Amino acid sequence: GAGVSQSPRYKVAKRGQDVALRCDPISGHVSLFWYQQALGQGPEFLTYFQNEAQLDKSGLPSDRFFAERPEGSVSTLKIQRTQQEDSAVYLCASSFNRAFRQPQHFGDGTRLSIL
Amino acid sequence: DAKTTQPNSMESNEEEPVHLPCNHSTISGTDYIHWYRQLPSQGPEYVIHGLTSNVNNRMASLAIAEDRKSSTLILHRATLRDAAVYYCILGGVTGKLIFGQGTTLQVKP
Repeated sequence: GAGVSQSPRYKVAKRGQDVALRCDPISGHVSLFWYQQALGQGPEFLTYFQNEAQLDKSGLPSDRFFAERPEGSVSTLKIQRTQQEDSAVYLCASSFNRAFRQPQHFGDGTRLSIL
Repeated sequence: DAKTTQPNSMESNEEEPVHLPCNHSTISGTDYIHWYRQLPSQGPEYVIHGLTSNVNNRMASLAIAEDRKSSTLILHRATLRDAAVYYCILGGVTGKLIFGQGTTLQVKP
């Protein structure tokens, strides 16, 4: 079956522009996570959804970052007024349910470059 | 969040077993031990997880110390495709994964 799909695969934006990154989780997966991975580092947690409810957004680095999952399936991570330090790979993961006991399935990420 | 300690890198020969260690001395009673791996330009891939007992699946085995302060991921026969960064992660009830630097495994033919 289809895995987690993220688009676009690559995104280049100028500093100050707004960007939107999309995540299509595995069908039926209730839990959805966003992570940010800087070059040479491990992924860092950004935010977590259970269905359409955003239960944890403690990892979002600033109020320029906003995530939504309005119908409990597709999710969008939006970054406003992008800065160079936002350059990273943004990973989305989903899991079936009861997230802490279920493996997370990751997409291959969106590589964001801010010029 | 509890942290893990792993060696930065390890080497193995192809078709030999590999033991990847992980220390997690501050683990809490509800923390699961998860292992993920990440190949270049790909997202992390789930390998295995456990709570107290040793676990086996088609990819690997997970040996958990009796006091749960350390664990070892065992790849029974390393292949070139197993070359990756391996992350040992403690997952609590929140579900979020706290990745460290991981262990970069090189497999030599």
